[in-house]
Amino acid sequence: AQSVAQPEDQVNVAEGNPLTVKCTYSVSGNPYLFWYVQYPNRGLQFLLKYITGDNLVKGSYGFEAEFNKSQTSFHLKKPSALVSDSALYFCAVRQAAGNKLTFGGGTRVLVKP
Amino acid sequence: GAGVSQTPSNKVTEKGKYVELRCDPISGHTALYWYRQSLGQGPEFLIYFQGTGAADDSGLPNDRFFAVRPEGSVSTLKIQRTERGDSAVYLCASSLQGPNSPLHFGNGTRLTVT
Repeated sequence: AQSVAQPEDQVNVAEGNPLTVKCTYSVSGNPYLFWYVQYPNRGLQFLLKYITGDNLVKGSYGFEAEFNKSQTSFHLKKPSALVSDSALYFCAVRQAAGNKLTFGGGTRVLVKP
Repeated sequence: GAGVSQTPSNKVTEKGKYVELRCDPISGHTALYWYRQSLGQGPEFLIYFQGTGAADDSGLPNDRFFAVRPEGSVSTLKIQRTERGDSAVYLCASSLQGPNSPLHFGNGTRLTVT
């Protein structure tokens, strides 16, 4: 079975400050990891993915994520947050051999001006 | 290019009625997924199609839920004898084949059962 945990329901950060959204996962074998963002009344938008290789993955809108195999984590980061980054963020995982993508419960990010 | 299209965007139905939700995936995407999202929660997997066949339907909650993809493109999620607990946003996604291919989601159908 595969699972994802996002321990924070909400993260508050001031505009211009660094943003981190935490994610840990559990999966058999090598993981495929993804981050998605959801704006109000919209579908999920793909941000970035980790497959293999470099542990620091760069994605859309200045976001990046750091893969840590020993801690089974895949935290999302942005060096300088914008008010427009306020949204719901989801981490997701799938097994290398499977295709079902399992999502975490989501973290709401609020960036204050 | 065109993204994943879901219709209707909103559906209100009475308890006990039958509903159909439609998904039109991105052209060329062989994989199609249905998820359900309740307020404040992450998307919950329902079913995955590879081509015309359901490769994994382990997320369907019970036999009132059924999905088809007869020609390997458009898919329909069917819910019989709807219950108030079925109220949620139903999300459809499509992707290229392979575990490293990201899912591309539609905007969802908000189903309300009264």
